[in-house]
Amino acid sequence: QVQLQQWGAGLLKPSETLSLTCAVYGGSFSGYYWGWVRQSPAKGLEWMGEISHSGSTDYNPSLESRVTISVHTSKNQFSLKLTSVTAADTAVYFCAGRMLGTPFHYWGRGTPVSVSS
Amino acid sequence: DIQMTQSPSTLSASVGDRVTITCRASETIVSWLAWYQQKPGKAPKLLISKASSLESGVPSRFSGSGSGTEFTLTISSLQPDDFASYYCQQYSSYLKTFGQGTKVEIK
Repeated sequence: QVQLQQWGAGLLKPSETLSLTCAVYGGSFSGYYWGWVRQSPAKGLEWMGEISHSGSTDYNPSLESRVTISVHTSKNQFSLKLTSVTAADTAVYFCAGRMLGTPFHYWGRGTPVSVSS
Repeated sequence: DIQMTQSPSTLSASVGDRVTITCRASETIVSWLAWYQQKPGKAPKLLISKASSLESGVPSRFSGSGSGTEFTLTISSLQPDDFASYYCQQYSSYLKTFGQGTKVEIK
């Protein structure tokens, strides 16, 4: 059974870079798509982007200029970076995984991130 | 972007009630629709994929239907564990979008 464990800084100042990592345990890393979803009261659930095990990416156009998702195959990990954060980026960030043609089956527990000066 | 509109936003119901939640897409998504259940402080849990395929381990009181732009999630007999928020999500487009959610409350 695939399990996702995520971690990263939870308190940021405006203009800083958000950085989160998600480790995949208990299953194959290749053949899956790994992504990030965030949730805030204002925007609800928002798909941020995803990456294949081979490194091809898709991003939400609303975030594309600030977001980078990377994969670290040797460690069975993937990561999220979001630059120039503002208070509007305050949310709970989830890592998630899916197979081709399916929705996200696997989810991390979520990391609350707060942006405040 | 494909917009997903759920209704109602909040639903008050009693144990044993039949509950229906509707999700409408702004353009056709064929059957590329998922339903998730989320409880406070937890990650979403996938209930149904491809509009009507029940995920392994999900109780059979949950069912999904629809295609094109109109979809429904039905809980045939609401149980205490079902009081939660429910979200639809389209995965027809590379830009996957969610509905705004439906909170099922105890009446």
